[in-house]
Amino acid sequence: SQQGEEDPQALSIQEGENATMNCSYKTSINNLQWYRQNSGRGLVHLILIRSNEREKHSGRLRVTLDTSKKSSSLLITASRAADTASYFCATSNSGYSTLTFGKGTMLLVSP
Amino acid sequence: DAGVTQSPTHLIKTRGQQVTLRCSPKSGHDTVSWYQQALGQGPQFIFQYYEEEERQRGNFPDRFSGHQFPNYSSELNVNALLLGDSALYLCASSLRLGLAGHSYEQYFGPGTRLTVT
Repeated sequence: SQQGEEDPQALSIQEGENATMNCSYKTSINNLQWYRQNSGRGLVHLILIRSNEREKHSGRLRVTLDTSKKSSSLLITASRAADTASYFCATSNSGYSTLTFGKGTMLLVSP
Repeated sequence: DAGVTQSPTHLIKTRGQQVTLRCSPKSGHDTVSWYQQALGQGPQFIFQYYEEEERQRGNFPDRFSGHQFPNYSSELNVNALLLGDSALYLCASSLRLGLAGHSYEQYFGPGTRLTVT
């Protein structure tokens, strides 16, 4: 079963704009991760945020985590056409590396 | 440094048949997890192997089974295929950190696209 939901399901923006995706989950977690998937192929790990962290940055990515609301957001700044992909949040419980994924957000960045 | 590899890339089977998918983990990793991703959905956890044993299992029937070899590579077997088994099957590898559990970041292979007709 899916852990939570990403919002929006689809997002269409122009190059240079910022893209924000949200993720909600249902149970307590040890960490939350964001992955990117191009054209229905393998997933690429983007960033991990632990349950005791509130914000994390990596290049053009900014992730926030609010454990009281069981939600996270992924911000991609200055989007590029190459950022076009599906983005998934995934949660992990303490001690295990298995992941529970949401349904994903499809991002389309137009030149 | 070789990443996670999976074979075959695509596969077409008929209902009732059996299928075997293969995965080689990233160099240095000892744990393999399998996920099923139906079209338009997020991946769902099937099971995880380390030390050649199934350690965790998701909500999948016994028709789904697996194996891990001494070189850490793994197979996923599905018996009595149903139309609903059509999906992208993803293999992910990670590293077990002994009593500390596992490294949380997982490296995914490109997947095997299974079509059941």
